[in-house]
Amino acid sequence: EVRLVESGGGLVKPGGSLRLSCAASGFTFSSYTMNWVRQAPGKGLEWVSSISSSSAYIYYADSVKGRFTISRDNAKNSLYLQMNSLRAEDTAVYYCARESLGAAQYWGQGNLVTVSS
Amino acid sequence: DIQMTQSPSSLSASVGDRVTITCRASQGIRNDLGWYQQKPGKAPKRLLFDASNLQSGVPSRFSGSGSGTDFTLTISSLQPEDFATYYCLQHNSYPLTFGQGTKVEIK
Repeated sequence: EVRLVESGGGLVKPGGSLRLSCAASGFTFSSYTMNWVRQAPGKGLEWVSSISSSSAYIYYADSVKGRFTISRDNAKNSLYLQMNSLRAEDTAVYYCARESLGAAQYWGQGNLVTVSS
Repeated sequence: DIQMTQSPSSLSASVGDRVTITCRASQGIRNDLGWYQQKPGKAPKRLLFDASNLQSGVPSRFSGSGSGTDFTLTISSLQPEDFATYYCLQHNSYPLTFGQGTKVEIK
């Protein structure tokens, strides 16, 4: 069974940093592109970033480019999102998602990040 | 960037109704589109991939069609468990983009 479990969220002040993790199990992690998707309270889904299986290809939404860094450790079956210079508008539930026949078939349960003073 | 315009933003329907939701891409995306269902407090669940292929385990009352720029999600006979918000997602090119969502409510 594919399982994705996010962690690392919480309350952070504007300008602060946070690192999200996504622990993967139930599949060969090193074979799949992984994604981060977020959802602000009461809003729709927003794609944040993607990383290919070998980390050769990395993409970011304009809204986070230069502030967020996606990475992965295939030996640890883990995906990460380093978030710096956080803003109030980054407040959201962050989901990691695995691609399969398209961008996002399997999703984690989500992790809330709140940016507030 | 490819914009995905989803309509309607919300609709009210009764159990048993046929419901149609559309997504229009700002440029051709072949059939590189998925449809997702999201219930409050839960992660999205993919219903269809490649525009018209039903995900395993998803009821056959859900169907999708379209290619290029115009896509449709149809629920042939709305069931109580189908009241949720639905999104399309294009994966033809980065940045990936979602439609704005369609909230299906009980009439």
